[in-house]
Amino acid sequence: DAKTTQPPSMDCAEGRAANLPCNHSTISGNEYVYWYRQIHSQGPQYIIHGLKNNETNEMASLIITEDRKSSTLILPHATLRDTAVYYCIVRPHNFNKFYFGSGTKLNVKP
Amino acid sequence: GAVVSQHPSWVICKSGTSVKIECRSLDFQATTMFWYRQFPKQSLMLMATSNEGSKATYEQGVEKDKFLINHASLTLSTLTVTSAHPEDSSFYICSARVGQFGYTFGSGTRLTVV
Repeated sequence: DAKTTQPPSMDCAEGRAANLPCNHSTISGNEYVYWYRQIHSQGPQYIIHGLKNNETNEMASLIITEDRKSSTLILPHATLRDTAVYYCIVRPHNFNKFYFGSGTKLNVKP
Repeated sequence: GAVVSQHPSWVICKSGTSVKIECRSLDFQATTMFWYRQFPKQSLMLMATSNEGSKATYEQGVEKDKFLINHASLTLSTLTVTSAHPEDSSFYICSARVGQFGYTFGSGTRLTVV
């Protein structure tokens, strides 16, 4: 799997957009970018994934740069319940295993 | 959506005893499940891949005789921590692949060995 680099922590004010960056400069052409989050003492939760186009769902938006070497997860209106560790994972879609990096601890503050 | 149910959510056991953790796929069949371990303030570490009807494959450095995995049906995988010691205290999480892209995770089991 391509290695990902994320800042260890970020703060965000409640109601504001949270922009979480991920660097994956060694990504291969067949590798997807996945985002999961883990709220304290729970199992990880799927957020979004993409290959090269920007993606949006009810939870978040994923912006992938044209060279695919980095991406940004956007939570448009962060709430206190979005406080969690966010993991950016890069892997081929047909590869079975899922390896987690260190993630970004997002602290949403009132 | 696809749900993975994990039990128990927490367990306390005495040193030297064995503990079994169950992971069930509730509304889908999971030919492959995964087991992770997470220590406090650390990321999830993949321990092993559980394959229905065949032996599990373990990640490097994980003792297969200590962490016994059984995947006897398409909806159930179990992890048994044998002869548990305090250093095995951790948060154990299972997951299953759903469809082409998705992975769903159990809610985790907090194991405390005293």
